Amino acid sequence: DIQMTQSPSTLSASVGDKVSITCRASQSVASWLAWYQQKPGKAPKLLIHRASILETGVPSRFSGNGSGTEFSLTISSLEPDDFATYYCQEYNTYSPYSFGQGTKLEI
Amino acid sequence: QITLTESGPTLVKPTQTLTLTCNFSGFSLSTSGEGVGWIRQPPGKALEWLAFIYWNDERPYSPSLKNRLTISKDTSKNQVVLTMTNMDPVDTATYFCAHGSYSHHYAFNIWGQGTMVTVSS
Repeated sequence: DIQMTQSPSTLSASVGDKVSITCRASQSVASWLAWYQQKPGKAPKLLIHRASILETGVPSRFSGNGSGTEFSLTISSLEPDDFATYYCQEYNTYSPYSFGQGTKLEI
Repeated sequence: QITLTESGPTLVKPTQTLTLTCNFSGFSLSTSGEGVGWIRQPPGKALEWLAFIYWNDERPYSPSLKNRLTISKDTSKNQVVLTMTNMDPVDTATYFCAHGSYSHHYAFNIWGQGTMVTVSS
């Protein structure tokens, strides 16, 4: 299995800050990497797929980068609605589509 | 508009088999490029990918749960069913089904609201 490791596990920040979350894969996943946002009691929401493609309707302050084994999610200027837990997921075709352990973004 | 809704028991006993149904609309699993997956999340913990079924009936499973899982589809009913055998209290979780398609390179772009399953005697 491919293991996905996110860092940090918790990130404290303030409204207006620029923050980044890192996701590392135990082996190359090319660009088959997605980022999700999850709020308490809700289903995850797709933010980015194919490492850097912004899902329709997702604000442009979110961006994704990387390929191979190292990826990042950046929020350029935090807004109150962005405080949530973020997950990366690899989806290398026909392999188990592992999730990272999550990064909780808190005030 | 794509929607997915999970249904099934809220409480199962240890050793029993869990059967969950995902009813969906807005796409067809007989259409090339479409797929549905199952993901679970224990209370306060991370997401765990369980299984996926493609339009062409390919069915990858989580290696750690492969022996206990079966995913199937009924294209006429727009349903995907997940069965998990030999349930244990550690399987207590919210179970989500989600849509994946070629257009999103099989990332999960639409999710159901999830269904909470508790395993307890």
